[in-house]
Amino acid sequence: NAGVTQTPKFQVLKTGQSMTLQCAQDMNHEYMSWYRQDPGMGLRLIHYSVGAGITDQGEVPNGYNVSRSTTEDFPLRLLSAAPSQTSVYFCASRTSGGLYEQYFGPGTRLTVT
Amino acid sequence: GNSVTQMEGPVTLSEEAFLTINCTYTATGYPSLFWYVQYPGEGLQLLLKATKADDKGSNKGFEATYRKETTSFHLEKGSVQVSDSAVYFCALSANFGNEKLTFGTGTRLTIIP
Repeated sequence: NAGVTQTPKFQVLKTGQSMTLQCAQDMNHEYMSWYRQDPGMGLRLIHYSVGAGITDQGEVPNGYNVSRSTTEDFPLRLLSAAPSQTSVYFCASRTSGGLYEQYFGPGTRLTVT
Repeated sequence: GNSVTQMEGPVTLSEEAFLTINCTYTATGYPSLFWYVQYPGEGLQLLLKATKADDKGSNKGFEATYRKETTSFHLEKGSVQVSDSAVYFCALSANFGNEKLTFGTGTRLTIIP
């Protein structure tokens, strides 16, 4: 049982490039979320999904796309990277009944130059 | 809107010292309150939670009491260990089962032997 896994661990992009951050969980959790962590700002919700085929925007969705074709995977796409997207990105999941405990992945540190 | 304010770090203590990390919140209604911990190189883990006023959450020797009258949820531990060195985040969920966790900025704790 690997829990929530994220790849890559580190990534450097140039402004305007696109990429996909991968997130997978093997706990059969219905709910998955993406957060970004910035110094002095805590974590902020980007997008979330309550099940395969269903996604919704969080607090800071601009510049990011998501899709949820399977229960296990929830990739985050940066369409045209900007320096403001330099951050640490965390994926999280929980069951529909686990109202209070989200399981977080180890994070992806992204730098956009 | 909802917000969480944590004491600024970093906090450095000697082993076996008493720990308090202050957390206050602003929210409408009756939020649920959480403390998450992030060990070096890892994702966040739920440390403890409280879902209604006067509830006390506890885990691994840490405690926090939900004080509605002072809108606070301070984290305490009577005798810290080197292994407690981590970043601690206070968070709230304003709606039952809502995906959006509102996080504080985090407090880095270092325990020296």
